[in-house]
Amino acid sequence: NAGVTQTPKFQVLKTGQSMTLQCAQDMNHNSMYWYRQDPGMGLRLIYYSASEGTTDKGEVPNGYNVSRLNKREFSLRLESAAPSQTSVYFCASSLRGGNVPDTQYFGPGTRLTVL
Amino acid sequence: AQSVTQLGSHVSVSEGALVLLRCNYSSSVPPYLFWYVQYPNQGLQLLLKYTSAATLVKGINGFEAEFKKSETSFHLTKPSAHMSDAAEYFCAVSDLRSNNDMRFGAGTRLTVKP
Repeated sequence: NAGVTQTPKFQVLKTGQSMTLQCAQDMNHNSMYWYRQDPGMGLRLIYYSASEGTTDKGEVPNGYNVSRLNKREFSLRLESAAPSQTSVYFCASSLRGGNVPDTQYFGPGTRLTVL
Repeated sequence: AQSVTQLGSHVSVSEGALVLLRCNYSSSVPPYLFWYVQYPNQGLQLLLKYTSAATLVKGINGFEAEFKKSETSFHLTKPSAHMSDAAEYFCAVSDLRSNNDMRFGAGTRLTVKP
């Protein structure tokens, strides 16, 4: 039982390049989330998926797209990376779907640098 | 929208001393409140959560927090700090209307001195 896994762990991009961050969970959770963590700002929600087949914008969605590929996998894509997207990205999942706040389980993070 | 404010970005205590990390929330509806801990180069893990049951919530590693509606607070405490408690702590708030949008505070880095 690996929990929430993320790939890659580290990535360096040049401005304008694209990339996809991968996330998978093996806990049969319904909801999945993508956050970014910046110094002094805590975690901010980029996108979430309350259940398989649905995605919704969070607090800071601009410059990102997501895909809920199946119940296990939730990917985050940067189409044209910008230096402002330099951050640590965390994927999380929670058991319940819908609107009920629930414990979120976090992956180890991806440290992204955009030059 | 709901929000949390964590007072003090850095807190330093001596080993064996009381740990007190402050969190105040803002929410127009009954909140669900969480404390998470992040060790270096790791993801966040849940310490404890308040979901409208008992106002005093006990979590892992000897931590507890008390929900005080009149003060809109959910401060985290531990009677006796251990070196292994050194980490960053995040308070977070959500509610039944927020549609899965959990808002995190900026975090408090706890240092434990020997």
